[in-house]
Amino acid sequence: GQQVMQIPQYQHVQEGEDFTTYCNSSTTLSNIQWYKQRPGGHPVFLIQLVKSGEVKKQKRLTFQFGEAKKNSSLHITATQTTDVGTYFCAGDLWGSNYKLTFGKGTLLTVNP
Amino acid sequence: EAGVTQFPSHSVIEKGQTVTLRCDPISGHDNLYWYRRVMGKEIKFLLHFVKESKQDESGMPNNRFLAERTGGTYSTLKVQPAELEDSGVYFCASSQAYSGETQYFGPGTRLLVL
Repeated sequence: GQQVMQIPQYQHVQEGEDFTTYCNSSTTLSNIQWYKQRPGGHPVFLIQLVKSGEVKKQKRLTFQFGEAKKNSSLHITATQTTDVGTYFCAGDLWGSNYKLTFGKGTLLTVNP
Repeated sequence: EAGVTQFPSHSVIEKGQTVTLRCDPISGHDNLYWYRRVMGKEIKFLLHFVKESKQDESGMPNNRFLAERTGGTYSTLKVQPAELEDSGVYFCASSQAYSGETQYFGPGTRLLVL
């Protein structure tokens, strides 16, 4: 069964509001990667988190990796219409031979 | 630097036919991965090549799927014979010399089996 759960499945916000998506793994992760897929596009790499408790920022995006390396979050501050798309987390499970296990993704829509 | 490319971008075939998908990884990337996203489901791992060797093919659905990477450059994924449930988007990704590196995805091949 699926080992990386991602919530929410959908999120609609007004432009300027914040947005957060969460991922939780049933097993410890070696690392976690985040991807963004625009409608009709393909997953585009955003960031990789490796260390326990790691926090990384990219402009308005903040990525966190939990202390136990089982959960992660992506937070967008003051969303813009260009943030529209599906955000996927993908975990590299320990012992998985480096294959990525994807969450189902969170579809973000932004009302201008 | 060119990204991962895939061909064709779309394919519509009838049940029972054969389709071959191609992936050209980023030049110099030893690791090549195939993933698939079936409508409404998450992206799922199919297999992983390190150069020309199959490192992990635990995600291949059944023996109707055959992946090759002769010479360790581009890869092909053949589905023969195709079934309705094979419809979806097939993504290829590549990463550099050692596994665990960032995986860069291609644009995908949208396969529809009628």
